[in-house]
Amino acid sequence: EDQVTQSPEALRLQEGESSSLNCSYTVSGLRGLFWYRQDPGKGPEFLFTLYSAGEEKEKERLKATLTKKESFLHITAPKPEDSATYLCAVDTNAGKSTFGDGTTLTVKP
Amino acid sequence: NAGVMQNPRHLVRRRGQEARLRCSPMKGHSHVYWYRQLPEEGLKFMVYLQKENIIDESGMPKERFSAEFPKEGPSILRIQQVVRGDSAAYFCASSPPPDRVKNIQYFGAGTRLSVL
Repeated sequence: EDQVTQSPEALRLQEGESSSLNCSYTVSGLRGLFWYRQDPGKGPEFLFTLYSAGEEKEKERLKATLTKKESFLHITAPKPEDSATYLCAVDTNAGKSTFGDGTTLTVKP
Repeated sequence: NAGVMQNPRHLVRRRGQEARLRCSPMKGHSHVYWYRQLPEEGLKFMVYLQKENIIDESGMPKERFSAEFPKEGPSILRIQQVVRGDSAAYFCASSPPPDRVKNIQYFGAGTRLSVL
């Protein structure tokens, strides 16, 4: 059975304090790994897609990387507006995605 | 260019009633997915549909839950005889037909179901 595990469950940072979120996966055949951001009371918002080990994507203060077993979401010099829950998902069949439980990030000013 | 539209945003039902959740996909998207999210948990896949066809319903409870995506109109997630354990946020996502490379799903704002 496909499994996605995110760690830590919660992360509290001071503004400007860089860190990383982890997404470990066990799947039969990875077609793609996705990162989403979810704000309270809202639906997930797409951030990145990674397809092969070694691939990296960047967007503002966020950088996503992928290995054969895990993905990292690096946050450089975070700001309070980066506070949200970050969700990782893997796609192993056309259309079905398996999500992790998310990491809730809080950035204090 | 409207995004994925879900309604209602909030739905209150008493035990034993029926709940109907609607989802209109983004323009040009022919595939719809339904997920359930309990507090402090991630999204759990329920069902994947395209127009007039259920592709994968492996995440749907065997009883009381059904979904459809008719040729015309929104996708509907129906929960019959609701129980308190059905209280959750239900999210719909849509995508264009998935190919071998991309399957980016775009989410609606969700429907929060409360069962009294």
